[in-house]
Amino acid sequence: DADVTQTPRNRITKTGKRIMLECSQTKGHDRMYWYRQDPGLGLRLIYYSFDVKDINKGEISDGYSVSRQAQAKFSLSLESAIPNQTALYFCATSDYDTQETQYFGPGTRLLVL
Amino acid sequence: DAKTTQPPSMDCAEGRAANLPCNHSTISGNEYVYWYRQIHSQGPQYIIHGLKNNETNEMASLIITEDRKSSTLILPHATLRDTAVYYCIVRVATDSWGKFQFGAGTQVVVTP
Repeated sequence: DADVTQTPRNRITKTGKRIMLECSQTKGHDRMYWYRQDPGLGLRLIYYSFDVKDINKGEISDGYSVSRQAQAKFSLSLESAIPNQTALYFCATSDYDTQETQYFGPGTRLLVL
Repeated sequence: DAKTTQPPSMDCAEGRAANLPCNHSTISGNEYVYWYRQIHSQGPQYIIHGLKNNETNEMASLIITEDRKSSTLILPHATLRDTAVYYCIVRVATDSWGKFQFGAGTQVVVTP
């Protein structure tokens, strides 16, 4: 089984709808991250969490919110989806003991109509 | 974190070694060099990282110059499945920000 899983893998939604992307990990890592990837722009950090009580904004957090329900689960919500949030979303985990090597999930492809 | 410079693309013949260069002339003494790759639309995959010594694992070797201003990732026997975008990233291993700055990377195409 994969160490970092994301659900759903693909999602189509309409403008204004609220959606949630979920991430689970079995690596036992404390730190979890949400990135988005747009063509030609590389990965950009949305939110990150160093433990269940610690949530931090990344470089592009506007329009997004997160919840760290447990050490192993980190969810990303789009409160009111808009078309320019169409992107590929990745969850990642890391740990101090592994010198912050990040391990990524398979991604969620989101299309907002 | 220091910036990196990589060639935008390179080709490699299947079975041959692929040598991917990365320049990081402004690297600081406490910054590590990490390599990741991303096969089309999949999640980035960790390959290797190092500080100053050369490193080798089951996937690749990392050669860091003595002055640490550049490095080379070596895939010893490239296969078609190694076709991917390869990212060279430098950052402090234990900084609290935890962010990886993914640039444009090098598109590697392995041909039969």
